[in-house]
Amino acid sequence: QVQLRQSGPGLVKPSQTLSVTCVISGESVTSNSAAWTWIRQSPSRGLEWLGRTYYMSKWYNDYTLSVRSRMVISPDTSKNQVSLQLNSVTLEDTAVYYCARENISGGYYYFDSWGQGSSVSVSS
Amino acid sequence: QSALTQPPSVSGAPGQTITISCTGSSSDMGAGYAVHWYQLLPGAGPKLIIYGNNNRPSGVPDRFSGSKSGTSASLAITGLQPEDEADYYCQSYDARLTACVFGIGTKVTVL
Repeated sequence: QVQLRQSGPGLVKPSQTLSVTCVISGESVTSNSAAWTWIRQSPSRGLEWLGRTYYMSKWYNDYTLSVRSRMVISPDTSKNQVSLQLNSVTLEDTAVYYCARENISGGYYYFDSWGQGSSVSVSS
Repeated sequence: QSALTQPPSVSGAPGQTITISCTGSSSDMGAGYAVHWYQLLPGAGPKLIIYGNNNRPSGVPDRFSGSKSGTSASLAITGLQPEDEADYYCQSYDARLTACVFGIGTKVTVL
């Protein structure tokens, strides 16, 4: 059973960088049947897929277009974790951020394990 | 990022059956990608309740069922229970965007 435990700040100032970490237990971050994904939830936009990282002989990253220029998702194999970094945040980045395990085997792409969520407010 | 289309709210009395629709496009469901459903209870994180159009993960009650045809999908809840009051989201994959896409969410109210 995969478990995801998140840590991250509750408050970030506008124009600064948001960082959230997701520690994975029960599966290797290099698993070839999983991608490690970041999703956020806000009242105005509901659930929004942000991006993912996965390993298939080498590391791959995908990002949604709206945050592609500001976001970095980084795996750390020594700690079996993934990190999200979102630069130049604005009020619109206020949301609950989730890491999730994305099943990428069998032609399906769905999220079967979720972290507890990190509530982030962007405010001066 | 385009989203799948869901009704903002659906309601029903205990014991009734409700359905939530999810409409996509030729680049997601219409391209053959499966649809999945998540339940968000107040104060809790998302929970997968249907994957691969019509499969229930272990532990999900059989009153939840899903279907997909072409660019549309639906989630049915039969024998509606008070604990089913939550937000429900559909999700698929968009080959044009090379990204996962969600619906806007449907709030289910048990009257």
